[in-house]
Amino acid sequence: DGGITQSPKYLFRKEGQNVTLSCEQNLNHDAMYWYRQDPGQGLRLIYYSQIVNDFQKGDIAEGYSVSREKKESFPLTVTSAQKNPTAFYLCASSIFFGGNTEAFFGQGTRLTVV
Amino acid sequence: DQQVKQNSPSLSVQEGRISILNCDYTNSMFDYFLWYKKYPAEGPTFLISISSIKDKNEDGRFTVFLNKSAKHLSLHIVPSQPGDSAVYFCAASAGYGGSQGNLIFGKGTKLSVKP
Repeated sequence: DGGITQSPKYLFRKEGQNVTLSCEQNLNHDAMYWYRQDPGQGLRLIYYSQIVNDFQKGDIAEGYSVSREKKESFPLTVTSAQKNPTAFYLCASSIFFGGNTEAFFGQGTRLTVV
Repeated sequence: DQQVKQNSPSLSVQEGRISILNCDYTNSMFDYFLWYKKYPAEGPTFLISISSIKDKNEDGRFTVFLNKSAKHLSLHIVPSQPGDSAVYFCAASAGYGGSQGNLIFGKGTKLSVKP
């Protein structure tokens, strides 16, 4: 089954700790994205990657970091510099960046800072 | 500044009737528009899309209308079913060569379809 897998589904972090969210896709998509959803808000773009070994900041990149060493994987690290990390995080991929193409989403990771 | 706006946070419709969800955008470079459906604690699922060269796209019970001059699109669901109850997100992108190849999302409209 092709798709996007995010893990874990729920994650708890103590204040001051870094935490890494996993995102793997087997769709052979070039582009991958990380979005954040807060209550009553739309999806806001954190980082995106058009191709392997490339990534760009989105609208709310502060306090986050990413890597794209493999086409299939785009992990997101939430650092201690992120002031309000409690949110629902969504990873997505599309066949390529730009163009008239839809993005496919994973099931999300709920991060809670305790 | 929001480039994609969904001004109705919620909508309640009777089963069997039409649901109309609205979306406005400000960026004239957007040329591809999508609707996603999202259940709580799940990722959004793609529903339907429309290119700016069209003014209508239909897929079963779902139809998207695009009015470029008004920078407005709408999603019609006919007939509405209780299983359609979810949050619907409008999204847009600037497409080929655009600086905004990623999707820009609205804040969503929560649709409740009552039996």
